[in-house]
Amino acid sequence: NAGVMQNPRHLVRRRGQEARLRCSPMKGHSHVYWYRQLPEEGLKFMVYLQKENIIDESGMPKERFSAEFPKEGPSILRIQQVVRGDSAAYFCASSLDSYGYTFGSGTRLTVV
Amino acid sequence: KQEVTQIPAALSVPEGENLVLNCSFTDSAIYNLQWFRQDPGKGLTSLLLIQSSQREQTSGRLNASLDKSSGRSTLYIAASQPGDSATYLCAVLPSYNTDKLIFGTGTRLQVFP
Repeated sequence: NAGVMQNPRHLVRRRGQEARLRCSPMKGHSHVYWYRQLPEEGLKFMVYLQKENIIDESGMPKERFSAEFPKEGPSILRIQQVVRGDSAAYFCASSLDSYGYTFGSGTRLTVV
Repeated sequence: KQEVTQIPAALSVPEGENLVLNCSFTDSAIYNLQWFRQDPGKGLTSLLLIQSSQREQTSGRLNASLDKSSGRSTLYIAASQPGDSATYLCAVLPSYNTDKLIFGTGTRLQVFP
């Protein structure tokens, strides 16, 4: 079991470009969560998805951010027209139910 | 609104000491509480998970306790080693919304030889 796989590990984008972050949950896990960790801050919830459904997106910025978890393939967090303030570590977690979360190693996004 | 606080923010100790890291939360309506370890530039590793009905969990040199009524959890690390150096994060899963973990800002631990 490879655990929660996130790629890329590091991503550099210029202001105005799009960033696409991918997350493959643990085998058998159907719940996917995205969290963001800004420099020197704690992790903050962004969105919770199940296959083909967004369950809770209350932590997502209203503009430029979107997430999906298609029937086939990884979950994708998409950030359009990135700005410097989007620079952060983005973590994906998966769970079988609410018993416990397994986190990936994160994608560190740097906007230059 | 649930808020999670961890003290101290940073801790530096010599190898061999026994440590206590503190976590407090404002709303006792939690489903579970989880302690994580985060190494610099790395992801989160789950250390211990305590269900709301439990008082403590142990794994090796780690022991986590939970006092839900007072809104506190402690992580006890016995006989600390340099390899324990990392940031330790506490996170609660509210019982009214099990969609999202609420994290503290962590305790940055350094154990020196």
